[in-house]
Amino acid sequence: EAGVAQSPRYKIIEKRQSVAFWCNPISGHATLYWYQQILGQGPKLLIQFQNNGVVDDSQLPKDRFSAERLKGVDSTLKIQPAKLEDSAVYLCASRDRRPGYEQYFGPGTRLTVT
Amino acid sequence: AQSVTQLGSHVSVSEGALVLLRCNYSSSVPPYLFWYVQYPNQGLQLLLKYTTGATLVKGINGFEAEFKKSETSFHLTKPSAHMSDAAEYFCAVSEGQAGTALIFGKGTTLSVSS
Repeated sequence: EAGVAQSPRYKIIEKRQSVAFWCNPISGHATLYWYQQILGQGPKLLIQFQNNGVVDDSQLPKDRFSAERLKGVDSTLKIQPAKLEDSAVYLCASRDRRPGYEQYFGPGTRLTVT
Repeated sequence: AQSVTQLGSHVSVSEGALVLLRCNYSSSVPPYLFWYVQYPNQGLQLLLKYTTGATLVKGINGFEAEFKKSETSFHLTKPSAHMSDAAEYFCAVSEGQAGTALIFGKGTTLSVSS
């Protein structure tokens, strides 16, 4: 079974530029999550999708971050404009909808904003 | 609100020694509890999980954890450390069958010396 795929793996941009990350979840997983992991901290949820609908985006900085999951499969996360404090690893995870099933994480995208 | 506290941001052990990583949680509903491991430049890999039933949970690579409701703890142990265990470990909690996103602790870096 293929795992969660993410691209790019690394990205360096200047502040005020825009950037987009892509995630392809495990086939059949209805739930998709984006987490932000700042160096030295645990991952923090940005947004959760169930199929192509948003379940929780309460911690997403909506003035600069946006995310979509068209057709309930792939997802993209965008930052525009980026700030220095957005430097982090962005992790995508997916989960089977059945209770008790764990989240599977992709390798992440390491973003550096200079 | 749920939260996770991992005591000790850095734990050092000798090869062959007992590994003990501490995790305490708070949750207003019966929790699902998880331990994930993260190797450098990689995503998170599930070590073990507690959902319901037996409170002593065995995971991969010889790790186990015990859910103690009275102590609101879910400590991770391994009888004998191996050099390959050196990594960062995260404890996480979610609200049971609700399928909500994970709340992570800040992580504990495990170092193993020969």
